[in-house]
Amino acid sequence: QVQLVESGGGVVQPGGSLRLSCAASGFTFSSYGMHWVRQAPGKGLEWVSFIHYDGSNTYYADSVKGRFTISRDNSKDTLYLQMNSLRPEDTAVYYCAKRPSSASYSFDPWGQGALVTVSS
Amino acid sequence: QSALTQPASVSGSPGQSITISCSGTSSDVGGGSYVSWYQQHPGKAPRLLIYDVTKRPSGVSNRFSGSKSGNTASLTISGLQAEDEADYFCCSYVGSSTFNYVFGTGTKVTVL
Repeated sequence: QVQLVESGGGVVQPGGSLRLSCAASGFTFSSYGMHWVRQAPGKGLEWVSFIHYDGSNTYYADSVKGRFTISRDNSKDTLYLQMNSLRPEDTAVYYCAKRPSSASYSFDPWGQGALVTVSS
Repeated sequence: QSALTQPASVSGSPGQSITISCSGTSSDVGGGSYVSWYQQHPGKAPRLLIYDVTKRPSGVSNRFSGSKSGNTASLTISGLQAEDEADYFCCSYVGSSTFNYVFGTGTKVTVL
């Protein structure tokens, strides 16, 4: 079955950097677009970024544009999120999620999430 | 882009039907057919319930149904069960000149 497993979360000081990974299995990773979505503690969901199946196009929420970079390694079935210039308001659980098809604008399934805490 | 508006909480007794609303604008909910709904139990990842306003993925109970009228989408849960107690989020793709998604504020469903 489809499985997404995030890793790389942790505690980082404001202004610092962190890279999240999302290991995919159970499907042909190189054929699907992928998203990152985050959820601040006790808050709602916020879309962060999307990358096309071949990495040709990437998109970002205004709140992270210029600071975060999404990428993928299709040879390793892995999605990444490089987060720089981190701010306390970036503290959240970060989920990777699969785009079900090229004509779909939903998220399915989701990984279990990785907690990122930005604090001094 | 402002978050879509959902009621903070909705409750119902087992067997009853409840409806959760999701209000947006003509730029998001009202502007297309790309509204989706997610269920999230405490400490768990969200799970897709409805996509493209009314479609249900395989494996999702037919007790969950979606609809839309104008700038407001709705999720109805019929035959409410104890396991339905969770948070529910709507989401709309915001396309045309941009690539963006906006989520709803979330609704806590309590089964009495």
